[in-house]
Amino acid sequence: DTAVSQTPKYLVTQMGNDKSIKCEQNLGHDTMYWYKQDSKKFLKIMFSYNNKELIINETVPNRFSPKSPDKAHLNLHINSLELGDSAVYFCASSQVLAGGTDTQYFGPGTRLTVL
Amino acid sequence: AQSVTQLGSHVSVSEGALVLLRCNYSSSVPPYLFWYVQYPNQGLQLLLKYTSAATLVKGINGFEAEFKKSETSFHLTKPSAHMSDAAEYFCAVIPSGGYQKVTFGTGTKLQVIP
Repeated sequence: DTAVSQTPKYLVTQMGNDKSIKCEQNLGHDTMYWYKQDSKKFLKIMFSYNNKELIINETVPNRFSPKSPDKAHLNLHINSLELGDSAVYFCASSQVLAGGTDTQYFGPGTRLTVL
Repeated sequence: AQSVTQLGSHVSVSEGALVLLRCNYSSSVPPYLFWYVQYPNQGLQLLLKYTSAATLVKGINGFEAEFKKSETSFHLTKPSAHMSDAAEYFCAVIPSGGYQKVTFGTGTKLQVIP
C-alpha cells in the first residue's frame, strides 16, 4: 500500500503546453504539500494545503495552480510550461499537531522534462 | 528567518568507517529538526527527528543525531558505513510553533567506498 502516490512518474512535454500532476495520500493526513527539486537537488516548498485550504504559497509563478478536491488529494496544474520548470516535483503529506512537529511523508516524485 | 546549512555537498567514507554528516541551523528559538534520506530516483524517507525531547535521537538503519543547542547543530552519525547507505541526505528544520513550513538544507551526497 503506497502511502503517498504521484502520477505520472515521468512527464516529457513541449514548452508552452499545459500539464497536471496528481497526488493522493491514504494516510488520513490533513495537510499536503508540493515541493520542487532542481537539478542540483535543492528542495523548495511550493504550496501547502490544510483541509483543502491553501496555507503556504511560496511566490510560485501563477502558471502553477494547485487544486485540492479533498483532503486526500492535491493536484498541481502547470500552464504554459517553460524550460525552467524542468525538475522533480514531490508531493508530501502530514498530520498537523500542536507545535507543528509532525513528520512529512513524501511521494516518489514526478520528473518533469520540458523540451 | 530560519535556515539550515549542510557542510559538504559530497562526503566519501570507506565501508565500515564512521559516517558524519554535518547540519547547522539558524533560528532564534530551538526548532524541530529532521534528517531525510533520498535514494536514487526515489522520494525522501525520514531517518530521524528531534522534537525537543531527548537531545540524542536514534533513527532507522543505525543512524543517530545529537541536538546541540550551544553549537546550533544537529549532525548525523553512524558508527559503521554500509554500501547501502550511499544516498543523498537532507537536513530540514521547522520553526517551533511554525505551521509546518519546512526548510531543507542543500543536501549531502554520501559515497561509500568498498
